[in-house]
Amino acid sequence: SQKIEQNSEALNIQEGKTATLTCNYTNYSPAYLQWYRQDPGRGPVFLLLIRENEKEKRKERLKVTFDTTLKQSLFHITASQPADSATYLCASAGNNRKLIWGLGTSLAVNP
Amino acid sequence: DAGITQSPRYKITETGRQVTLMCHQTWSHSYMFWYRQDLGHGLRLIYYSAAADITDKGEVPDGYVVSRSKTENFPLTLESATRSQTSVYFCASSETGSNTEAFFGQGTRLTVV
Repeated sequence: SQKIEQNSEALNIQEGKTATLTCNYTNYSPAYLQWYRQDPGRGPVFLLLIRENEKEKRKERLKVTFDTTLKQSLFHITASQPADSATYLCASAGNNRKLIWGLGTSLAVNP
Repeated sequence: DAGITQSPRYKITETGRQVTLMCHQTWSHSYMFWYRQDLGHGLRLIYYSAAADITDKGEVPDGYVVSRSKTENFPLTLESATRSQTSVYFCASSETGSNTEAFFGQGTRLTVV
């Protein structure tokens, strides 16, 4: 079945470092991937969308890559801040065009 | 205010009761979605709608009913609530479906006792 997998273990990093989160997909080839941020008790908030032909996309301190050979997207937050602490979700449309979601990776940025 | 709003934010209901969760968006987005989010399962699509009067099942539709008589509203009804439907429910909207960003409501935490 089509699946998206994200690191289940929480990621703890020091303020100022770069956080790197991984999203792997299996059994399908998405044309794009989306990344969302979710804070406790709130709905997900869209961050970035990257298409398969873009390889890399940036927005302020955020960078997303898309490697169709590795079937993987990496999400980077540079110069991380405690305010970046949240759960980050990866999603993409499966063959039936409905979004498939990863379980998310929890990021904690320590001051 | 522009955006997508869900009501109620919190609801406790008894097993067997019917309950309706409301969702309203002000952007006139064509697509609207209902998800449930549970620990260990992530976001799972219950139903979605591509336009007024067009709805379709998602991954976990059993026990739920939706309607979309107006573009801006997409209520979700649990016909006879069960404990397994205890969850956090999110409504979302997007302009053109799964290839554009989705905007989520703040969620409804439903407890079925």
